[in-house]
Amino acid sequence: AQRVTQPEKLLSVFKGAPVELKCNYSYSGSPELFWYVQYSRQRLQLLLRHISRESIKGFTADLNKGETSFHLKKPFAQEEDSAMYYCALRPFGIIQGAQKLVFGQGTRLTINP
Amino acid sequence: SQTIHQWPATLVQPVGSPLSLECTVEGTSNPNLYWYRQAAGRGLQLLFYSVGIGQISSEVPQNLSASRPQDRQFILSSKKLLLSDSGFYLCAWKFGGLNTGELFFGEGSRLTVL
Repeated sequence: AQRVTQPEKLLSVFKGAPVELKCNYSYSGSPELFWYVQYSRQRLQLLLRHISRESIKGFTADLNKGETSFHLKKPFAQEEDSAMYYCALRPFGIIQGAQKLVFGQGTRLTINP
Repeated sequence: SQTIHQWPATLVQPVGSPLSLECTVEGTSNPNLYWYRQAAGRGLQLLFYSVGIGQISSEVPQNLSASRPQDRQFILSSKKLLLSDSGFYLCAWKFGGLNTGELFFGEGSRLTVL
């Protein structure tokens, strides 16, 4: 079974400081990894996915299969980054269960001025 | 463009009463549909998902059930609510048949069981 672990429920950093939100996963096959974000009074939405290898709002995340991690990073935090962040995993490919997305417990990030 | 509607937004129900939360998607056909529960400290828990009309996959044993009577309609139900059913319920959809994991979420329904 797939499992996603976000060890930090709360993370607080100062504006301008680097940010790293940790995500570890457990899955025997090839996964597809995502980061979702929920800003205050907004819907949960996709931030980025590992297969795109893109930077969104200054955030990047690299899939490390050896460490089974997909940590989210930003070199300089901004106040508008304050939000709830969820890491998610989907089995990759056309297999049973590939249509579901499993989420971690979430990390609430607060950026202090 | 596609939209997702979920209602009611807020619901207060007594223990033992029935529940019906409804979710509809517009602007697409044959979507995959999902019900999640968001609970403090437990993150987003997948409850049910559906890849087609009448096809329901249940992820956890519980007091809830789901149905998909129409292509773009997904209903979460209970015959008798428990206190532990309180929480924030999110409906989501994604394009069916495509190898992509992006989900589009509704605004959520907050259920309080008293």
